[in-house]
Amino acid sequence: GENVEQHPSTLSVQEGDSAVIKCTYSDSASNYFPWYKQELGKGPQLIIDIRSNVGEKKDQRIAVTLNKTAKHFSLHITETQPEDSAVYFCAAFNPDSGGYQKVTFGTGTKLQVIP
Amino acid sequence: KAGVTQTPRYLIKTRGQQVTLSCSPISGHRSVSWYQQTPGQGLQFLFEYFSETQRNKGNFPGRFSGRQFSNSRSEMNVSTLELGDSALYLCASSVPGQGGTEAFFGQGTRLTVV
Repeated sequence: GENVEQHPSTLSVQEGDSAVIKCTYSDSASNYFPWYKQELGKGPQLIIDIRSNVGEKKDQRIAVTLNKTAKHFSLHITETQPEDSAVYFCAAFNPDSGGYQKVTFGTGTKLQVIP
Repeated sequence: KAGVTQTPRYLIKTRGQQVTLSCSPISGHRSVSWYQQTPGQGLQFLFEYFSETQRNKGNFPGRFSGRQFSNSRSEMNVSTLELGDSALYLCASSVPGQGGTEAFFGQGTRLTVV
């Protein structure tokens, strides 16, 4: 089955600096890679996603890059703000034999933005 | 548009009991997935329902089961509760179609087994 590794597990940055979180996956058939932000007491919220036919996607201060050859994808947050502090999860969706997709999540990165 | 609603928010049960959790998806979303979140194991996929049929299942014992109703609302049931079942149970809904689409999560049900 798919295996997703996420690093680092914790990350502290100064407000205004950039933060980068990396995930690697094992199954080359995986084709959809979302990133979720989870704040305390809330469910995960999708912040950006990328499909396997795209190398990079950007949405304001957030960007995701995908390297299919190396089987890794990264989340980039620029100009970090205190409200970016949360736990971030990556995920990989891969199709099963029935044509549907199974999802595997990374273990999460706790990001702390220091004012 | 109302979000994904999970009830109850908190639950305390005793070992050996059973529990039923409920999830109401966003209107128009026919796919509902369930996840278990624990500090040790992270987010793990339980199962997915689409049009009242379970179409995907994670690696959980048969004590974990679910169902989906014609209005897309879903329930999951855990029988013979164990201490290790203490977790945050999350459901997510998405638009019709095969997976890999944007999923919207509820706030979860925090289950504590004592």
